[in-house]
Amino acid sequence: AQTVTQSQPEMSVQEAETVTLSCTYDTSENNYYLFWYKQPPSRQMILVIRQEAYKQQNATENRFSVNFQKAAKSFSLKISDSQLGDTAMYFCAFGIQGAQKLVFGQGTRLTINP
Amino acid sequence: DVKVTQSSRYLVKRTGEKVFLECVQDMDHENMFWYRQDPGLGLRLIYFSYDVKMKEKGDIPEGYSVSREKKERFSLILESASTNQTSMYLCASSLLVPGKLFFGSGTQLSVL
Repeated sequence: AQTVTQSQPEMSVQEAETVTLSCTYDTSENNYYLFWYKQPPSRQMILVIRQEAYKQQNATENRFSVNFQKAAKSFSLKISDSQLGDTAMYFCAFGIQGAQKLVFGQGTRLTINP
Repeated sequence: DVKVTQSSRYLVKRTGEKVFLECVQDMDHENMFWYRQDPGLGLRLIYFSYDVKMKEKGDIPEGYSVSREKKERFSLILESASTNQTSMYLCASSLLVPGKLFFGSGTQLSVL
């Protein structure tokens, strides 16, 4: 069975700083996808970034980037120039190619302070 | 804009009641999901459906059932609500698998 672990329950940084959220996963599969989802106080979960395991290049979306280390089964999210609107719960998720379900981590509550 | 709508934002029910949580999506997605969100546990999959009238158990299906009579609607049913089912329930849909999930705003259910 696949598992996803987020070891940082809470993090807090100052506005404009860079912050990195950690995620590790366990799988014996070779073809899979990894995701970071954001849940702001409004509760509407939205996709932040997605990484295909077969791609060596790390995914980037504006201020959000990932550090994907396949051998170490690590998938961290870096937020650069953090903004107040980045305050949210962040969930790491894993999905096997061809399978419907995603497995989520426990979440990290990120607070950006003014 | 893509939309997943959950019928209630907050719901309070009594132990033993039958509870229906409704979810509607307007994107013509094949796949729909019900997750439960609890602090420290993240999101856990209850049930999912990949087509009308088709359903599959997720990781924690006990005490729940689902119904998908139309493509756009996926209902979660608590046959006899219990206090340990107090939680946030999130509905989601996706076109591809495993693909981008589109979530509703969640239903915070309290069972007293």
